[in-house]
Amino acid sequence: QQQVKQSPQSLIVQKGGISIINCAYENTAFDYFPWYQQFPGKGPALLIAIRPDVSEKKEGRFTISFNKSAKQFSLHIMDSQPGDSATYFCAASRMGQGAQKLVFGQGTRLTINP
Amino acid sequence: NAGVMQNPRHLVRRRGQEARLRCSPMKGHSHVYWYRQLPEEGLKFMVYLQKENIIDESGMPKERFSAEFPKEGPSILRIQQVVRGDSAAYFCASSPFGTGGASDYGYTFGSGTRLTVV
Repeated sequence: QQQVKQSPQSLIVQKGGISIINCAYENTAFDYFPWYQQFPGKGPALLIAIRPDVSEKKEGRFTISFNKSAKQFSLHIMDSQPGDSATYFCAASRMGQGAQKLVFGQGTRLTINP
Repeated sequence: NAGVMQNPRHLVRRRGQEARLRCSPMKGHSHVYWYRQLPEEGLKFMVYLQKENIIDESGMPKERFSAEFPKEGPSILRIQQVVRGDSAAYFCASSPFGTGGASDYGYTFGSGTRLTVV
């Protein structure tokens, strides 16, 4: 019930291509879905987030697509750049829950080839 | 405005020793969260604290692990009698918000402490 499953584990994309990472969740009480970007030796940094009242959110080259009925959401990185090479984590949490604890996916290691 | 400060960045302990990890939240943040990241895995929630109170410790192992966030000073995650399986990166996050759900604004992670047990 508390799991968030992320795929693929690793992804290699050519510069300029589209990177797509997928996540699926089980707990229908989740209502906040952020994506985090993590570089080696650093902590996760919030990239973009969505709530279930919208099906898509776009910020620059980054887009979240959200499918509430399928309990799935995905991150699309358009015009992928070598600087985007990092590990990406999806996460989910529940508004109003006493602790703002995030449930993370397993991570996707993205490599953008120049 | 300094971010979430964690120290040490790297910590090596022999089996059976104690590990003490420190986290200073961002200025103005009174809520602290600890997460553990095992190699090649996502982060797993451990504990949520406010000043002088443990709010949610549902992710903490039952034995050897404890956390505190005193009125003065940083939050401390303490691991007693460490074992090899405790080797991981431990991340702290802070937020100005408590109940009311996670937010885009203010839930900030530190750079972590990488614990190696030899």
